[in-house]
Amino acid sequence: GENVEQHPSTLSVQEGDSAVIKCTYSDSASNYFPWYKQELGKGPQLIIDIRSNVGEKKDQRIAVTLNKTAKHFSLHITETQPEDSAVYFCAASPTGGGNKLTFGTGTQLKVEL
Amino acid sequence: NAGVTQTPKFRILKIGQSMTLQCTQDMNHNYMYWYRQDPGMGLKLIYYSVGAGITDKGEVPNGYNVSRSTTEDFPLRLELAAPSQTSVYFCASSYTPRGTGNTGELFFGEGSRLTVL
Repeated sequence: GENVEQHPSTLSVQEGDSAVIKCTYSDSASNYFPWYKQELGKGPQLIIDIRSNVGEKKDQRIAVTLNKTAKHFSLHITETQPEDSAVYFCAASPTGGGNKLTFGTGTQLKVEL
Repeated sequence: NAGVTQTPKFRILKIGQSMTLQCTQDMNHNYMYWYRQDPGMGLKLIYYSVGAGITDKGEVPNGYNVSRSTTEDFPLRLELAAPSQTSVYFCASSYTPRGTGNTGELFFGEGSRLTVL
């Protein structure tokens, strides 16, 4: 089955700096790569996703890049703000996989004033 | 719009007891899922359902059972609670048009924290 590794497990940045979280996956059949944000006491919420037919996708301060050859994808957050502080999860899913996402172990992002 | 609603939010069980975690969604989604979240381990899929009457095992199904009698409801049953089942449980739902195979956005409930002593 799919195995997703995520790094780092914790990340502390100063407000206004950029943050980068990296994930690798093992199953070459995976073609859908979402990122979820989980705030304290809440369920995860989708913030951005990318499919394997594109290499990069942006949404305001958030971007995701995908390298299918190397089997890795990354989340980039620019101009970080205190409200970006949360746990971020990457995930991967293959076509025809029954929507079964395999999640990474999460990154605790702390944006310090 | 309520989205995905889970009950209870907190529960303490004794070893060997049974209980059901309730989950309901009002978005008419075809897919529903149960995940458990342990510290530093991410989310692990327990069971999922692609529609009413159809369920299948995920990565960690042992010790759990599910049913999907309606589109809206997807309860998770723990028959003989064990300390290893202490965790936070999340129910989620998503919509995938038939025949596309494309994974849709998962909408999560707020979680149910279960402690087995």
